[in-house]
Amino acid sequence: KQEVTQIPAALSVPEGENLVLNCSFTDSAIYNLQWFRQDPGKGLTSLLLIQSSQREQTSGRLNASLDKSSGRSTLYIAASQPGDSATYLCAVRMDSSYKLIFGSGTRLLVRP
Amino acid sequence: DGGITQSPKYLFRKEGQNVTLSCEQNLNHDAMYWYRQDPGQGLRLIYYSQIVNDFQKGDIAEGYSVSREKKESFPLTVTSAQKNPTAFYLCASSIMDHYEQYFGPGTRLTVT
Repeated sequence: KQEVTQIPAALSVPEGENLVLNCSFTDSAIYNLQWFRQDPGKGLTSLLLIQSSQREQTSGRLNASLDKSSGRSTLYIAASQPGDSATYLCAVRMDSSYKLIFGSGTRLLVRP
Repeated sequence: DGGITQSPKYLFRKEGQNVTLSCEQNLNHDAMYWYRQDPGQGLRLIYYSQIVNDFQKGDIAEGYSVSREKKESFPLTVTSAQKNPTAFYLCASSIMDHYEQYFGPGTRLTVT
């Protein structure tokens, strides 16, 4: 059974710092992996989608990498800003399934 | 504007009452999903629909029911059989079942 883990559960950094959020999964037979942002009391905003054949995806200050063999993905945020404060969730889709399996998220606080 | 709408944003019900949460999308997506989110946790799939008049149970379908009479609409009914209905409910859609999912703003249901 696939399990998705995100460590740490919470992270506080000063503005301007580069940071890395981690996502690990137990079964490497994934179809794709998606990173989301969730603001308090809001829905999810898709940030990046990485197909299983890809190694990384970039969007602005965000870069997501995928290493299937080790069961890991990282979300790199460059030059963090207070507006980046939110909960970041990763989710994987298995080859043979339609559903997303979510981690419990990392709550990020960027201090001015 | 294209997107997914959920209504209402907040919903309060007495224990023993059924309640229906609305989800509408104008993205012309075939697949639609309902997730539940509890505090500090990731999302868990309740029901999923690939096409009109067809839907499948997710991981936690007990106490819930859905219908998919129109492509644009996928309402979720939380029945009195659901033992712990208080949660944040999120609806999502995708072009097809293996593509990127887009989420609505969510409905917070409180049952007392």
